[in-house]
Amino acid sequence: DVKVTQSSRYLVKRTGEKVFLECVQDMDHENMFWYRQDPGLGLRLIYFSYDVKMKEKGDIPEGYSVSREKKERFSLILESASTNQTSMYLCASSFPSSGGNTGELFFGEGSRLTVL
Amino acid sequence: QQPVQSPQAVILREGEDAVINCSSSKALYSVHWYRQKHGEAPVFLMILLKGGEQKGHEKISASFNEKKQQSSLYLTASQLSYSGTYFCGTEGGYQKVTFGTGTKLQVIP
Repeated sequence: DVKVTQSSRYLVKRTGEKVFLECVQDMDHENMFWYRQDPGLGLRLIYFSYDVKMKEKGDIPEGYSVSREKKERFSLILESASTNQTSMYLCASSFPSSGGNTGELFFGEGSRLTVL
Repeated sequence: QQPVQSPQAVILREGEDAVINCSSSKALYSVHWYRQKHGEAPVFLMILLKGGEQKGHEKISASFNEKKQQSSLYLTASQLSYSGTYFCGTEGGYQKVTFGTGTKLQVIP
């Protein structure tokens, strides 16, 4: 089975701290994504990556950065956490939706971050 | 920019049908549909590609109007297990998948 593993299910951080959220997938997927999920706002794309060392801004990149040094790992970084970044963060991965692939996104279980 | 989903919420009795709509202001390469149950990760239902190709679960049906940049998910003869929040995700190219705000579906006995 495809597995997308997020390093922490629950985190509590203080305002101003640097926060790292790690995501690892085991299916050799080219694409990886970071979303945040808030009630009433759905899933909002923060950043995505279509290859190692490549990254593209999503719809709400402000206050976040990402790193993809290896194909299987995609990290989300909050340089200076703020209370409005309290949220559920979901990582996902996929093959490109071309050729014989569906482009289906496989999601991790999520990381619930609370910033005090 | 997020696609717009409607309705925001719907309650069905077992056996009833429902349609969930998804609309985008941008030209689309593909539309994805996912279902998320409370406390769980979203799960893939279907992808509809430009040109008419569909890939996904056989029991789920959907349509994709490329010109209108709209998609609809059809849930027929609903079961209790259909309950959850449904998300459409739109891909305008370059593998970027943007999701809507979701439609909460509750099926009651």
